[in-house]
Amino acid sequence: QVQLVQSGAEVRKPGSSVNISCKASGGPFSRHSISWVRQAPGQGLDWMGGIIPIFGTQHHAQKFQGRLTIITDESTKTGYMELRGLTSEDTAIYYCAKRGTYNDAFDLWGQGTMVTVTS
Amino acid sequence: EIVLTQSPGTLSLSPGERGSLSCRASESLRSTHIAWYQQKPGQAPTLLLFGASNRATGVPDRFSGSGSGTDFTLTISRLEPEDFAVYYCQHYGGSTWTFGQGTKVEIK
Repeated sequence: QVQLVQSGAEVRKPGSSVNISCKASGGPFSRHSISWVRQAPGQGLDWMGGIIPIFGTQHHAQKFQGRLTIITDESTKTGYMELRGLTSEDTAIYYCAKRGTYNDAFDLWGQGTMVTVTS
Repeated sequence: EIVLTQSPGTLSLSPGERGSLSCRASESLRSTHIAWYQQKPGQAPTLLLFGASNRATGVPDRFSGSGSGTDFTLTISRLEPEDFAVYYCQHYGGSTWTFGQGTKVEIK
């Protein structure tokens, strides 16, 4: 049974970057597509982008093109999401999520990482 | 870009009542690419249904899904106290995913 454990809360200044990790434990990693989803305070879910570790192919939502990087380290079964050029609008909880083995839904989520962007 | 519009924004119901949540797409979609999630306060979302109508592991059978084309529905047959939460529909579009804005099911 795979579990996803994310890194802890972050506070950043406007214009800076944040890097969040998502470590998989208890099961295979490389064949599962991992996505990142964020949720601003009191708002809904917003898919940011995803990657298939075994291929290393990233896909990003248009709104994050150019400032989002998603990578994986198969040796440690860890995924990383870097978001650059932070503004206060990037203040949100960031989740990693695993795509299902036999379907396209996200059947497992990390616990979330709160990122606060403040001067 | 596909847009998913959920309605109503808030659904006020009593325990034991039936709830129907709508997810309307801006264009016709394959039902195999529709999922529903439940999110409780302070928690990560959890998968309820995939392929529009298939329950995820451990999901009670009071949750059911239906629909095709542009209209999809999540039905909760008899609301239990633990079902009061926010529900999101989601579409998978090849290499991207889109969420609806959510429906909050609150206690009346």
